[in-house]
Amino acid sequence: KAGVTQTPRYLIKTRGQQVTLSCSPISGHRSVSWYQQTPGQGLQFLFEYFSETQRNKGNFPGRFSGRQFSNSRSEMNVSTLELGDSALYLCASSLPGPIIGYTFGSGTRLTVV
Amino acid sequence: AQTVTQSQPEMSVQEAETVTLSCTYDTSESDYYLFWYKQPPSRQMILVIRQEAYKQQNATENRFSVNFQKAAKSFSLKISDSQLGDAAMYFCAYRSLNNAGNMLTFGGGTRLMVKP
Repeated sequence: KAGVTQTPRYLIKTRGQQVTLSCSPISGHRSVSWYQQTPGQGLQFLFEYFSETQRNKGNFPGRFSGRQFSNSRSEMNVSTLELGDSALYLCASSLPGPIIGYTFGSGTRLTVV
Repeated sequence: AQTVTQSQPEMSVQEAETVTLSCTYDTSESDYYLFWYKQPPSRQMILVIRQEAYKQQNATENRFSVNFQKAAKSFSLKISDSQLGDAAMYFCAYRSLNNAGNMLTFGGGTRLMVKP
């Protein structure tokens, strides 16, 4: 069965631009979470979507936003990019219900120049 | 808020030997899950092992086992018979059960090197 697919794998953007990253979860997984990974701050939770609704949000500025579609695919958007937004962005999908388990994608490496 | 601490930025082990990675966490909750994830150069986070806090028995998955000390808030990972493919970043993570959502709190990671 297909894993979690994140596109694109790599992205280079200029400061001030905006960017949209995509995450397609495993079939049947309705929860999608996003994480930012940087050498300085480590792995930080951005937000989680479940059934097209944002269920949790981390401590990030409003420039970071996301959405989820009816097929559970999710996108995250970062507006007015800053150099500090350069990071690996990982998404994870999981099943609903009491079984706790996450499957991660391979991430999108965003470089802001 | 919960915090997760991995005090060993780097560890090294000889192939076929055993290594233990440390993790401590801070929480006031009684129900939670703990995880160890492996991140190889391919960047994908791979679940190594999971522990439910209500279970006293330590989780085991083949060569990987944990030492879960709930009172001490400690969750170490033991890798037996280390293999070259075990070389990666290892992250300890916490997931509260008091929240309906899915949110993992990660430690800073430990880079494991395996010497042939």
